[in-house]
Amino acid sequence: AQSVTQLDSHVSVSEGTPVLLRCNYSSSYSPSLFWYVQHPNKGLQLLLKYTSAATLVKGINGFEAEFKKSETSFHLTKPSAHMSDAAEYFCVVPPGSGTASKLTFGTGTRLQVTL
Amino acid sequence: DGGITQSPKYLFRKEGQNVTLSCEQNLNHDAMYWYRQDPGQGLRLIYYSQIVNDFQKGDIAEGYSVSREKKESFPLTVTSAQKNPTAFYLCASSIGRGREDIQYFGAGTRLSVL
Repeated sequence: AQSVTQLDSHVSVSEGTPVLLRCNYSSSYSPSLFWYVQHPNKGLQLLLKYTSAATLVKGINGFEAEFKKSETSFHLTKPSAHMSDAAEYFCVVPPGSGTASKLTFGTGTRLQVTL
Repeated sequence: DGGITQSPKYLFRKEGQNVTLSCEQNLNHDAMYWYRQDPGQGLRLIYYSQIVNDFQKGDIAEGYSVSREKKESFPLTVTSAQKNPTAFYLCASSIGRGREDIQYFGAGTRLSVL
């Protein structure tokens, strides 16, 4: 079975400084992995996805993530935070097989951006 | 605009009452899903449907019911058997095939108990 662990429930950064949101995964095979973002009282939006092609994945709004098999990690980064990045971020792993997309969600990391 | 529409945005339930949350999609997706979101717990799957007239229980189906009579619609009923219904409910849809199947989400319904 697959699982993901988001190591920080809350991260606070100043505007203009780098963002690092950490995610470790557990899987018996090389998984696909996603990052979703949720702004307050909104639905989730896909930020980026890793699907066993390039290990460095670029997403929307300047975010990127690197798949590191040796560390079983898929951390989300952004060089310079913007106030509009304040949201909750979820690391997600899809099922290994089958047609139903029963996603496994991490517990989320709330990103706060201060002036 | 293509997308997923959830209504209402806010809903209040009285004790012993059943309430129904609406979810409509015009993306021509086969699969639809209902999630419950509580603070600090991520999203938990309530029910999902891969095709019209078929649906399966997710991880926390007790106290909920669904129907899938049309491809574009997947309403969720929160029954009186659900003793702790206060939460944010999210509906999603996807093509429903493959490991890289992406789910698209509605804006959610916030349910509170009076």
